Amino acid sequence: EDQVTQSPEALRLQEGESSSLNCSYTVSGLRGLFWYRQDPGKGPEFLFTLYSAGEEKEKERLKATLTKKESFLHITAPKPEDSATYLCAVRSTNTGNQFYFGTGTSLTVIP
Amino acid sequence: EAGVAQSPRYKIIEKRQSVAFWCNPISGHATLYWYQQILGQGPKLLIQFQNNGVVDDSQLPKDRFSAERLKGVDSTLKIQPAKLEDSAVYLCASSPPAGQGPSGELFFGEGSRLTVL
Repeated sequence: EDQVTQSPEALRLQEGESSSLNCSYTVSGLRGLFWYRQDPGKGPEFLFTLYSAGEEKEKERLKATLTKKESFLHITAPKPEDSATYLCAVRSTNTGNQFYFGTGTSLTVIP
Repeated sequence: EAGVAQSPRYKIIEKRQSVAFWCNPISGHATLYWYQQILGQGPKLLIQFQNNGVVDDSQLPKDRFSAERLKGVDSTLKIQPAKLEDSAVYLCASSPPAGQGPSGELFFGEGSRLTVL
C-alpha cells in the first residue's frame, strides 16, 4: 500500500533560519510528487511537481528536491509570511488519477 | 481569473440531518474533485469528475454521500444522514486540461467547514 509520511509535524523557525521539511514515500510506480502550501482557513495552493530522482524545482525562498525515497522542501532565509502548512502528495500506478496527501508540516516563522 | 467558488463556508448541523455543498470550478476546467480534510490530516479524495462523468468514487461512502455534476460545470456534494465523524472541511478542486499548466496543479476552493453535533 502506498504511504506518504511528512516530518516534522510542526516546525518553528526564527526569521532567516533556513531548514528543510521531509516527505518520505513508499509507492509502486511514482507518477509524480507534489508540494502544496495551505494557509489557515484556505484551500491548498500548488507549489511544485517533481517526477524523477535528482529533479529540483525552485520558487523564491523554496526549493524542492526528489530522491527515490523522499523529497525535501528547503526553505532559505524564511520570512513570517512563509508560515503555513506544507503538504506533500503523490500519484502512483496504484493510485491512478488520485493524489494521495500526507498529513503536512505546520511551519511557523517567528519575526 | 476567478477561482474555485464554494458555498456555504460554514455549516453546523445535528447528526442525522442532511447538508449540501456547492462548487463552481474555474471556467474551462473539465476535471473536478471533492476532498474531505479532517482536522490535522491531509485532504482525502471523495470523488473525481471528468466533465459530468465519474472517474473515481472508490472512497465515497455511498450509503450517505452523493455527488453530482450536472452539465459538466457546477457540482453538489450531499451528506444524508450526517454522522459526527463527518465533521471536516470539504474542499472542491479543479484542474486544467492536460498540457495546460504543470501536471498535478489542482486549484482548490476555500472549503466548506462542516460541524456535526
